[in-house]
Amino acid sequence: QQQVKQSPQSLIVQKGGISIINCAYENTAFDYFPWYQQFPGKGPALLIAIRPDVSEKKEGRFTISFNKSAKQFSLHIMDSQPGDSATYFCAASENIRGYGQNFVFGPGTRLSVLP
Amino acid sequence: GAGVSQSPRYKVAKRGQDVALRCDPISGHVSLFWYQQALGQGPEFLTYFQNEAQLDKSGLPSDRFFAERPEGSVSTLKIQRTQQEDSAVYLCASSPRTRTDTQYFGPGTRLTVL
Repeated sequence: QQQVKQSPQSLIVQKGGISIINCAYENTAFDYFPWYQQFPGKGPALLIAIRPDVSEKKEGRFTISFNKSAKQFSLHIMDSQPGDSATYFCAASENIRGYGQNFVFGPGTRLSVLP
Repeated sequence: GAGVSQSPRYKVAKRGQDVALRCDPISGHVSLFWYQQALGQGPEFLTYFQNEAQLDKSGLPSDRFFAERPEGSVSTLKIQRTQQEDSAVYLCASSPRTRTDTQYFGPGTRLTVL
């Protein structure tokens, strides 16, 4: 199964709150899990990524939590700001020999942070 | 330029017309990807180039879709006899190496087929 599931579809958070987006996958060959942020009219931009050999990665206000046994990973945005309002995509990829990374994206979560 | 650029940014086509979408990747990037992003959805893989070689075209939805990268830099995605279901944003991404994790996306071309 190549599908990556993502929830919630949309999320509204107050400024200063914590935003949590969850993703799940089936393909155990996936070995790289990035999160992308997309603003309207722009292409997705890499936000943070994790490999399955660690359970958590933190960069500033953004943290990925990874549960290999459950095949789930999540993005936590601490102290959410109105400027974080965007669509967030989780993705998963596997390294195919001679080809490189083959990416599969989730359907996206539209985050709105209220001032 | 510093990033991936795509042109045109917007394209309106009548059903049955042919369209060509251009991608200028970051200079020196080996890998180039095309994705289709329907409204409210995540990007879906179309095709992949490593330099000028098209290594994977399994995501192209029909034989009306054709992509090329003849000199290993600029790429063109061509859609023949466009249909309404082709309406979407077409994203191009490039990455520096043959096996690399970070893909840098362009702003996309929004195609509307009337």
